[in-house]
Amino acid sequence: EIVMTQSPATLSVSPGERATLSCRASQSVISNLAWYQHKPGQAPRLLIYGASTRATGIPARFSGSGSGTEFTLTISSLQSEDFAVYYCQQYDNWPPVTFGGGTKVEIK
Amino acid sequence: EVQLLESGGGLVQPGGSLRLSCAASGFSFNIYAMNWVRQAPGKGLEWVSGISGSRGSTYYADFVKGRFTISRDNSENTLYLQMNSLRAEDTAVYYCVRPIVVVPAAPFDQWGQGSLVTVSS
Repeated sequence: EIVMTQSPATLSVSPGERATLSCRASQSVISNLAWYQHKPGQAPRLLIYGASTRATGIPARFSGSGSGTEFTLTISSLQSEDFAVYYCQQYDNWPPVTFGGGTKVEIK
Repeated sequence: EVQLLESGGGLVQPGGSLRLSCAASGFSFNIYAMNWVRQAPGKGLEWVSGISGSRGSTYYADFVKGRFTISRDNSENTLYLQMNSLRAEDTAVYYCVRPIVVVPAAPFDQWGQGSLVTVSS
């Protein structure tokens, strides 16, 4: 099973600032990496897949990069609606698909 | 519009059983693999089980193997998760999810609102 490790666990950012979230895989997942946003009481939302492709309707301020074992999600200018928990997920080696432990982006 | 509507959650005693259902609409259900993903209180997302579209091949996380059974009724556009021998650690919100393309191992772009399962005496 591929273990996904996200850092930091919590990121305190002011609105308008840039946020950089990291995700590391225990072995290469090539580019089979997705990012999700999850807000309390809501279903998770797919943001990025294929490591860098934005899902339908996702604003351009969200971008993904990386390949192999190291990945990054960048939110270029945080809006109020972006404060949430973010998860990475590998779908290269399954079953199982595996998620990281999450990064909570909170208001500074 | 794609819709996934879960039902069947609730309170059950340890060792008990529960069956979750997920009514799907707005897409060709029979060709898509489907999955269940859960989130325990205060924890992250965890894949539970998946089933392929037409052939119905099934896949399970190790922690539910032998206890949970995933199935589907393509004539009713419904996904199921039969949960037996439930444990306190199975307490979670269970999401019905559809991948972005028809194969099982793909990102999940459609999620239901979730069904809460509480295992407690």
